[in-house]
Amino acid sequence: GDSVTQMEGPVTLSEEAFLTINCTYTATGYPSLFWYVQYPGEGLQLLLKATKADDKGSNKGFEATYRKETTSFHLEKGSVQVSDSAVYFCALRSGGGADGLTFGKGTHLIIQP
Amino acid sequence: NAGVMQNPRHLVRRRGQEARLRCSPMKGHSHVYWYRQLPEEGLKFMVYLQKENIIDESGMPKERFSAEFPKEGPSILRIQQVVRGDSAAYFCASSPTGTGGLNEQFFGPGTRLTVL
Repeated sequence: GDSVTQMEGPVTLSEEAFLTINCTYTATGYPSLFWYVQYPGEGLQLLLKATKADDKGSNKGFEATYRKETTSFHLEKGSVQVSDSAVYFCALRSGGGADGLTFGKGTHLIIQP
Repeated sequence: NAGVMQNPRHLVRRRGQEARLRCSPMKGHSHVYWYRQLPEEGLKFMVYLQKENIIDESGMPKERFSAEFPKEGPSILRIQQVVRGDSAAYFCASSPTGTGGLNEQFFGPGTRLTVL
C-alpha cells in the first residue's frame, strides 16, 4: 500500500539556519504530494503541493520539488524563523483514485532564537 | 469565513461508553473526511462522506465505529464501547468538491479523545 516516510524529530535549529526535512514515498500510479504544517493547538494547514514530476511547490519561503526518480519530496527553507516552529507532515494522494491522504508521522521543528 | 469546526476539542470517556465527535465543514463544502492520529503516528484516513452518503470507509475499523453526514447538521463520528486503544486525536477535513481534481482538504483543530 501507499506509505510516506519522513525524518524523525525533533529537529532543532537556530534562527536563520537552512532547513531540510526529508520525505520519501511509495505509491501506486502518479501521486500528488503535499506538505502540511500544524501549529500548537491548531489543525493542519496546507503549506505547499505538487502534482507531477519535477513540479516545485513553494509558499512562505518553503520549497519542495517532486522527484519521481528518487520518490522524494524534501522540504527546504533557506532561513528559518522562530515562528516556523511547528510540526510538518508530508502527505500524498495516490494516483490510484484513493480519497484520503496518506501521511507521514510528522517532524517537530524547533527554532531557537 | 469560518474554518472547519470540531467539537468538543477534548473528550474524556470511560471504557465501554460512547464517544460522539462532531465536525462542521467550511461553508459551501459538501465533502468531509475523518482521520485518526494515534500517539507518535501520522494521520490515518478513516472515512470520506458526502451529504447523506458514505463514499469510502476503507480506513474505518470494522466494529464499533460509524460515521454519518446528514442533510442538515454536522458530520458525526461515533465510537461505541470505547477502549483505551481508541485514545487519539481525531481530525476532520472538508473540501468543496470531491477528490477527482486536486481539491485541497481544509482541516479542523481536532478532537482529542482520552479513554480512561
